[in-house]
Amino acid sequence: AQSVTQPDIHITVSEGASLELRCNYSYGATPYLFWYVQSPGQGLQLLLKYFSGDTLVQGIKGFEAEFKRSQSSFNLRKPSVHWSDAAEYFCAVGSFLNRDDKIIFGKGTRLHILP
Amino acid sequence: DSGVTQTPKHLITATGQRVTLRCSPRSGDLSVYWYQQSLDQGLQFLIQYYNGEERAKGNILERFSAQQFPDLHSELNLSSLELGDSALYFCASSVGLAGVDEQYFGPGTRLTVT
Repeated sequence: AQSVTQPDIHITVSEGASLELRCNYSYGATPYLFWYVQSPGQGLQLLLKYFSGDTLVQGIKGFEAEFKRSQSSFNLRKPSVHWSDAAEYFCAVGSFLNRDDKIIFGKGTRLHILP
Repeated sequence: DSGVTQTPKHLITATGQRVTLRCSPRSGDLSVYWYQQSLDQGLQFLIQYYNGEERAKGNILERFSAQQFPDLHSELNLSSLELGDSALYFCASSVGLAGVDEQYFGPGTRLTVT
């Protein structure tokens, strides 16, 4: 069955420290992978996506993610976090290429930033 | 501002009632998606419309229905409401048919069923 696992419900890092948010997926076909961010009281915003090609994907706000097929992972990274990065982050897998396709979201990881 | 608008922002209603949530996509976007976000279920895809036609279906209950009108706005109808339907409902839109296109999310409608 298709699934997305974000093993960390909460993560706390200090401002300026590096960040890695984990995402593991299970998907029958070649996956389309996404990372979204949700700030408090707002809708989701796409950070980056991967479909094919270079396995290191650059996104907005200084984020990047690396697709590792052998590990079924798509971890999100940022070299130095800012207080404004405090939000909830969702990994998602899937597509809408076919009628029965759909997108599946992980449960999310809430990022807390220490000053 | 994503360009996607949703009304109302908040809705409080009683069990057994019926409500309609409205979404206006970004100008030029043909696809509309509906999602439900709750604490216990997380974020779940409900349904997608493309240019007026239902395109994909996710975990949408039979008590729920949606449609997309010729002007491309969409409505999500929730009927026979139960306490468990309390959630944040998001609408998103994208240019094309496939989810490979970036989806732009609206601010959501918070539904409280009492």
